[in-house]
Amino acid sequence: ETGVTQSPTHLIKTRGQQVTLRCSSQSGHNTVSWYQQALGQGPQFIFQYYREEENGRGNFPPRFSGLQFPNYSSELNVNALELDDSALYLCASSFQDRNYGYTFGSGTRLTVV
Amino acid sequence: KQEVTQIPAALSVPEGENLVLNCSFTDSAIYNLQWFRQDPGKGLTSLLLIQSSQREQTSGRLNASLDKSSGRSTLYIAASQPGDSATYLCAVSPGGSSNTGKLIFGQGTTLQVKP
Repeated sequence: ETGVTQSPTHLIKTRGQQVTLRCSSQSGHNTVSWYQQALGQGPQFIFQYYREEENGRGNFPPRFSGLQFPNYSSELNVNALELDDSALYLCASSFQDRNYGYTFGSGTRLTVV
Repeated sequence: KQEVTQIPAALSVPEGENLVLNCSFTDSAIYNLQWFRQDPGKGLTSLLLIQSSQREQTSGRLNASLDKSSGRSTLYIAASQPGDSATYLCAVSPGGSSNTGKLIFGQGTTLQVKP
């Protein structure tokens, strides 16, 4: 059974640029969530995808967007990067939403300069 | 608005000691609660999941309890080892269909176990 994998592991971008982060769900999981974790803080919920549609969103602006594909993998896109977007981005997958808890990936460390 | 608090923020203990990490939440209407471990710069590893109807869960040297009415959960670690050094996060899944997918995290307790 494979876990949740994220790519890339590290990324450096310039303010104003756009970035795409990728996530492959754990085998058998059909729901994907994305979180942002600033240094020294707990993760903050960005949004969740189920059956290729967004079905929950946290307090993040529209420049944070996502996709889920038929194989349940997912992308997080961030436009017009700001310095405060520097963080660890975590992807989590689950089966049938929250009933069985969430499995997290190792994250992508994004640095905006 | 659901808020999750973890106390203490940091803890240092000698190897072999039993310890308790605390998590409190402001709204008792939760779906479940999950404890995670995070090593520096790494992702989250799930430790224990407690459904709202359960009182506790155990895995090896770990025991997590849940008291929904008082808004509290504890993570008990028996016979601590240096390998237990990490940040421990608790997260609640709020009740209600509109809160699908959202986990609300505390800020974590950073544990150091000294040999």
